[in-house]
Amino acid sequence: AQSVTQLGSHVSVSEGALVLLRCNYSSSVPPYLFWYVQYPNQGLQLLLKYTSAATLVKGINGFEAEFKKSETSFHLTKPSAHMSDAAEYFCAVSGGSQGNLIFGKGTKLSVKP
Amino acid sequence: DTAVSQTPKYLVTQMGNDKSIKCEQNLGHDTMYWYKQDSKKFLKIMFSYNNKELIINETVPNRFSPKSPDKAHLNLHINSLELGDSAVYFCASSQELGREVETQYFGPGTRLLVL
Repeated sequence: AQSVTQLGSHVSVSEGALVLLRCNYSSSVPPYLFWYVQYPNQGLQLLLKYTSAATLVKGINGFEAEFKKSETSFHLTKPSAHMSDAAEYFCAVSGGSQGNLIFGKGTKLSVKP
Repeated sequence: DTAVSQTPKYLVTQMGNDKSIKCEQNLGHDTMYWYKQDSKKFLKIMFSYNNKELIINETVPNRFSPKSPDKAHLNLHINSLELGDSAVYFCASSQELGREVETQYFGPGTRLLVL
């Protein structure tokens, strides 16, 4: 069965600093992986997804993630944090024939001025 | 234009009541979903549905039932509401059921509080 683990429920960075949000997956088949962002009191918005076409995936708002099979990881990065990046970030893996997403527990990103 | 919309945005009700949450998507997608986000922000699938198949997460109580009047709508009916049903409920849609690569588009959520 597929699962994802997000290390760190809360990450705090200074404005302009590197953002690194960690996600490790477990899957018995080649996974499809997603990062979603949830701004306060809003729904989820897709940041990027891995579909096996390329291991380095670029998303919206300057975010990117690298799929590393040897490490079973799909960490999310952004070179320079903005205040507007403060939100909850969810890593997810596609759950199989049911079509649903299996989410990690989320990482709350805080950005300090 | 809102791709996936939900009504109401907030719902406060008493234990034991029956309530419905509506979801509509204008993306022309074939598949819709309901997810529940608990107080710890954990998201879990409740239902996956297209015009051919309803897949129910086995942990969902049968007090919850999805109803789809047409392809663009998937409403969530909840009978005999309990305190533990308090959560944020998200509707989502994707093009096809079972294609793992599909992006799911989420609605803004409905915040349900049961008193």
